[in-house]
Amino acid sequence: QVQLVQSGAEVKKPGASVKVSCKSSGYTFTSYYIHWVRQAPGQGLEWMGIINPSDDTITYAQKFQGRVTVTSDTSTSTVYMELSSLRSDDTAVYYCARDHVGLTYYWGQGTLVTVSS
Amino acid sequence: DIVMTQSPDSLAVSLGERATINCKSSQSVLYSPSNKNYLAWFQQKPGQPPKLLIYWSSTRDSGVPDRFSGSGSGTDFTLTISSLQAEDVAVYYCQQYSSTPRTFGQGTKLEIK
Repeated sequence: QVQLVQSGAEVKKPGASVKVSCKSSGYTFTSYYIHWVRQAPGQGLEWMGIINPSDDTITYAQKFQGRVTVTSDTSTSTVYMELSSLRSDDTAVYYCARDHVGLTYYWGQGTLVTVSS
Repeated sequence: DIVMTQSPDSLAVSLGERATINCKSSQSVLYSPSNKNYLAWFQQKPGQPPKLLIYWSSTRDSGVPDRFSGSGSGTDFTLTISSLQAEDVAVYYCQQYSSTPRTFGQGTKLEIK
């Protein structure tokens, strides 16, 4: 069965960077895009970007351009999302999700990133 | 960017009664050549990732109870729960996947009256 397992919770100081991993299993890794979505506490869902692991084609939401970097490692079927220059309003649960027909179909369990001095 | 607007923001419905949530997109999400609406509905319970309920505006995902149904086309969509069960208490989101960036509605919190 398809599984996306994310790395554990992180606590970071303002200005630092965080790198969240998303390890896929149960399907051919290079056949499906991976999305990143975040959710601030008590808030809605915010789409951040998408990567095609077969050729590393990436599209970011304009809001995150210049601050987010998404990469993939086909040898370990893992996608990474790195967010830099962290601010308190980056405190959120970060989700990866595997694509199906263009939408966020299978979701990881989420990774809480807390930004606090 | 396509803006997705849900109504209402919150809703309280009695057990066994019908619940209706609306979603409006700022641009059409209908792809005419295929006649498919790129609109999905998700259910999210506390501490869990969103769960896909409906895609192509009206196709239920595998295992989703048939009390959940989706309708609409173009820019106006509806999620209906025909007979509310206790386990349906959650926040519901619509999402368009017609274009990048993918965008979600702000969410509708569904509670038991």
